[in-house]
Amino acid sequence: AQTVTQSQPEMSVQEAETVTLSCTYDTSESNYYLFWYKQPPSRQMILVIRQEAYKQQNATENRFSVNFQKAAKSFSLKISDSQLGDTAMYFCAFMKQGDYKLSFGAGTTVTVRA
Amino acid sequence: DSGVTQTPKHLITATGQRVTLRCSPRSGDLSVYWYQQSLDQGLQFLIHYYNGEERAKGNILERFSAQQFPDLHSELNLSSLELGDSALYFCASSVMDRRGWMNTEAFFGQGTRLTVV
Repeated sequence: AQTVTQSQPEMSVQEAETVTLSCTYDTSESNYYLFWYKQPPSRQMILVIRQEAYKQQNATENRFSVNFQKAAKSFSLKISDSQLGDTAMYFCAFMKQGDYKLSFGAGTTVTVRA
Repeated sequence: DSGVTQTPKHLITATGQRVTLRCSPRSGDLSVYWYQQSLDQGLQFLIHYYNGEERAKGNILERFSAQQFPDLHSELNLSSLELGDSALYFCASSVMDRRGWMNTEAFFGQGTRLTVV
């Protein structure tokens, strides 16, 4: 079974600054996908970014980027130019290729201060 | 709006009762997943259906069951409810390509908040 660990329960960041969320995972698989999902107070789970393990290049989506270190089994999320709307819980998730189910970490609550 | 619709949004019921949660996937998505989010266990995968057939089971209790109908909507049935079943239940949907591999993005509904009293 795959385990996903998010060691930071809460983080706070000033508006317009940068925050980095950490995630590590444990797997013996070589082909898999990693995701960051955002859950704002509305409860909706929203995909922020995804990374295919076979790709060496780190994924980016506007102000969101990841640092994927396959050997270290690390997958951190950087939020640049933080905005108030980024306030949410962020979940790191793992999916083995062909498995379809997501295994989630415990989440990190991010609060952006005005 | 993800395109995945879950009803009801909130449900309060007593212990020992049975409830049905409903999910309508995005148009064209054949795969439906159910997840449970609780304070003590976090987000956990329950079950996956593809085009009416069960494909995978996760940590789903025997008191829980699900099905996917020909119109692709899905229902999660929870019976003999206990206080510990109080949680947010999510449905998600995705497409699957011809090789049987999911297009890896799963779209989530807004969830059903179940409170067992």
